[in-house]
Amino acid sequence: GIQVEQSPPDLILQEGANSTLRCNFSDSVNNLQWFHQNPWGQLINLFYIPSGTKQNGRLSATTVATERYSLLYISSSQTTDSGVYFCAVVGGSEKLVFGKGTKLTVNP
Amino acid sequence: DTAVSQTPKYLVTQMGNDKSIKCEQNLGHDTMYWYKQDSKKFLKIMFSYNNKELIINETVPNRFSPKSPDKAHLNLHINSLELGDSAVYFCASGQEVVNVLTFGAGSRLTVL
Repeated sequence: GIQVEQSPPDLILQEGANSTLRCNFSDSVNNLQWFHQNPWGQLINLFYIPSGTKQNGRLSATTVATERYSLLYISSSQTTDSGVYFCAVVGGSEKLVFGKGTKLTVNP
Repeated sequence: DTAVSQTPKYLVTQMGNDKSIKCEQNLGHDTMYWYKQDSKKFLKIMFSYNNKELIINETVPNRFSPKSPDKAHLNLHINSLELGDSAVYFCASGQEVVNVLTFGAGSRLTVL
């Protein structure tokens, strides 16, 4: 099945810093989503982005489908950005397959 | 509120017991899912239903049985609970075509 690799696995930032999270996938996809799991466990859908670029406030995402990667940018990070960020893709199987996540800690 | 709601949020039980987790969505979505998140935060799909029909059934022990009485509900029943079943179980729903998922808050199952 399709493999999803996220990097880095852990990231520690000071408040106000910018960061880039990466998601590589092993096969062509028709669906790619980024999720944030907050410290209370809630999974929030950030972007549906099978290709192209989207922005939502301080967050933006870019997927280059031909090169099989997606990037999530977080600018001017805040402590509330802490949590785990997951990339999830759908290849040919109709299943949304998750990466192992990037754990982000933003310190005040 | 429009949402995916799961009950119970916490469940502590003994090995060998049978338990159920309920899920309801009022988003009008066609497809519902159960995911399991282990202690290392890895999320893995267990089941998917589309309009009450099972469409994805991963290699899950047959002690786990999903039931979808209608397209707004997907319940998970687990028989003969084992220690390794301890995890957080997430219900999710999505529209068939675009399939952007909305997740419930999760149900933390602890088997003692």
